[in-house]
Amino acid sequence: SAVISQKPSRDICQRGTSLTIQCQVDSQVTMMFWYRQQPGQSLTLIATANQGSEATYESGFVIDKFPISRPNLTFSTLTVSNMSPEDSSIYLCSVRTDGDNSPLHFGNGTRLTVT
Amino acid sequence: GDSVTQMEGPVTLSEEAFLTINCTYTATGYPSLFWYVQYPGEGLQLLLKATKADDKGSNKGFEATYRKETTSFHLEKGSVQVSDSAVYFCALSERGSARQLTFGSGTQLTVLP
Repeated sequence: SAVISQKPSRDICQRGTSLTIQCQVDSQVTMMFWYRQQPGQSLTLIATANQGSEATYESGFVIDKFPISRPNLTFSTLTVSNMSPEDSSIYLCSVRTDGDNSPLHFGNGTRLTVT
Repeated sequence: GDSVTQMEGPVTLSEEAFLTINCTYTATGYPSLFWYVQYPGEGLQLLLKATKADDKGSNKGFEATYRKETTSFHLEKGSVQVSDSAVYFCALSERGSARQLTFGSGTQLTVLP
């Protein structure tokens, strides 16, 4: 497994501002993912963070709104840009440490409230 | 595409009651199946998994059996505790896909003393 640290754990932000969330893993991993969990909902994949190349975004998510960096195999950031109240969610970093069908491991998430 | 359908919640039980949370799936191949648990204020933790038909995953008294014939992976526990109160997510990972999990909608479980 892997130990995943996310920062900040929570934040309250004003409309129109941006927040960058950091994800640090205690070992090198190939696959890193960012998920969103809206209040009372399940998890939706935002993007796969690729080391050394642009992230792969899922339908409904765009780079201008959710820019992602992956400078190395242990670290990634997700920025939520030009925030609105609809962006209030839990944002979760996850990694896969073994083969294709191995489980995902999750950080504790960042609880974002936009006012 | 792949999908996971979970029993709608919330579910409220008394301590020591029997728990079943239903999960069925649709997949084109032979997926691996998982149950994750999310305790209040925390991220998701893997609870158990099964990678092929008839496999039984188990952990902390919870069990789930991979039933290919009924495309199901129901979560069961014989005697729940207050500390089991959490949200439970069923998920699948398609074999050969290095990408992501498909999650069910989650089931909120509350266990009363």
